[in-house]
Amino acid sequence: AQTVTQSQPEMSVQEAETVTLSCTYDTSESDYYLFWYKQPPSRQMILVIRQEAYKQQNATENRFSVNFQKAAKSFSLKISDSQLGDAAMYFCAYRTLISVGSNYKLTFGKGTLLTVNP
Amino acid sequence: GAGVSQSPSNKVTEKGKDVELRCDPISGHTALYWYRQSLGQGLEFLIYFQGNSAPDKSGLPSDRFSAERTGGSVSTLTIQRTQQEDSAVYLCASSLVSNTIYFGEGSWLTVV
Repeated sequence: AQTVTQSQPEMSVQEAETVTLSCTYDTSESDYYLFWYKQPPSRQMILVIRQEAYKQQNATENRFSVNFQKAAKSFSLKISDSQLGDAAMYFCAYRTLISVGSNYKLTFGKGTLLTVNP
Repeated sequence: GAGVSQSPSNKVTEKGKDVELRCDPISGHTALYWYRQSLGQGLEFLIYFQGNSAPDKSGLPSDRFSAERTGGSVSTLTIQRTQQEDSAVYLCASSLVSNTIYFGEGSWLTVV
C-alpha cells in the first residue's frame, strides 16, 4: 500500500516571501498522480496543483510550483510571493493508476498547517 | 451543478440518533467518494461509488455506517446510532474515473 508523509506539521512564512512544503511517498508503481490540496478554514479541499509521474517537467500554476523528484519519491510544493489568503492546511496526495474494484485510490498525508504573517 | 454540494453544512445530534448526510456530485462525474476528517487528522477513506454500485466499501468503520447512490448522482451517507467518536467532518468528492478528484465543503457532524 502507498503511504504519504508530510514531515512538517506546521510552517510559517512572511507575506511576499517564498515557502516550501515537503512531501515524500512510498510506492512500487511506476506511474501515478500526485496532488497538492489546500483546505482553508471553510473546510473545502481545493486542488492546488497536479503532477503526472510520467512527466519529467515540474507542474506550475501561477505562484505555485512543485519539485518532483521521482527517484527520491519526493514532491515538494513551493509557494512564491505568499499572500494572506494562502494560509490553510495543505495536503499532499497520491493517486494510484491501478484500480481496486475500479477505485483508483487517493491516499493523503496528514497535512501541513501554513500560517502567513503580515 | 458547478461543484460538489453537501448538506447539511453542520449537524448536531444526540448520541444514539441516526443521521443522514447528502452529497450532490459534479454533473457527469461517475465516481463518488466519501471521506472522514477527524479534528486535526488527515482524510480517512470511507467508500467509493462507480455509478450506483459501491465496489470499494473497505473504509466504512462499522456496520452502523452505510451509503447509497441513486440515479448515478446523489449519494446519502447514513450513520445509525451515532456515537461521540463519529464526530468529524464528512467530505464528499467526485471525479471522472481516474482523473482529478473534486471535493465538497463537507458536513460537520457533532454528536453530543
